[in-house]
Amino acid sequence: QVTLRESGPALVKPTQTLTLTCTFSGFSLYTSGMCVTWIRQPPGKALEWLARIDWDDDKYYSTSLRTRLTISKDTSRNQVVLTMTNMDPMDTATYYCARGRHGVDVWGHGTTVTVSS
Amino acid sequence: QSALTQPASVSGSPGQSITISCTGTSSDVGGYNYVSWYQQNPGKAPKLMIYDVSNRPSGVSNRFSGSKSGNTASLTISGLQAEDEADYYCSSYTSSSTLVFGGGTKLTVL
Repeated sequence: QVTLRESGPALVKPTQTLTLTCTFSGFSLYTSGMCVTWIRQPPGKALEWLARIDWDDDKYYSTSLRTRLTISKDTSRNQVVLTMTNMDPMDTATYYCARGRHGVDVWGHGTTVTVSS
Repeated sequence: QSALTQPASVSGSPGQSITISCTGTSSDVGGYNYVSWYQQNPGKAPKLMIYDVSNRPSGVSNRFSGSKSGNTASLTISGLQAEDEADYYCSSYTSSSTLVFGGGTKLTVL
């Protein structure tokens, strides 16, 4: 069974850096073709794709957020970390980690992050 | 990458069929057979309903079907049921090797 779980702070202050961790099971980033993706959803709004890291350490970022995002992996610990710098109240959202490249087949439950002073 | 275009809302009566469209460009929907559809209930994570344009994951009702023509993909739900009421999102792989989502469609079962 494939599962993913997001963890990180529920509240961050404006200008701070957000660090989110995705811990997954049921698959491995040692396996060719596997990848982990981050997606967010502001309250009442649509899904927004953020970043993806592949088994071979290739990384892809949203064009609009590229300068603020960094994605990395710890393959041995089955973890993927997303950092987002210079947080703004507009970044308040539920952040999901998920598996998939051409689409997303398994989603985590999501973690809600509020940006407020 | 601009979001894919979906109608904000659709509605139908139980037993009817509805179709939700998802329009992109030749750099995403039109260029790849990698359109997916997701169902999202309030407060829950999205659930994959259709992948690779028209394939259903195991456990998804065959009342859900997908298709694509040119730069527009479609999700059809037949035999509408009250439990189908939810938000629906499409996604497409893009020429930048990323994913782009649609703006979402709220389905109301009358």
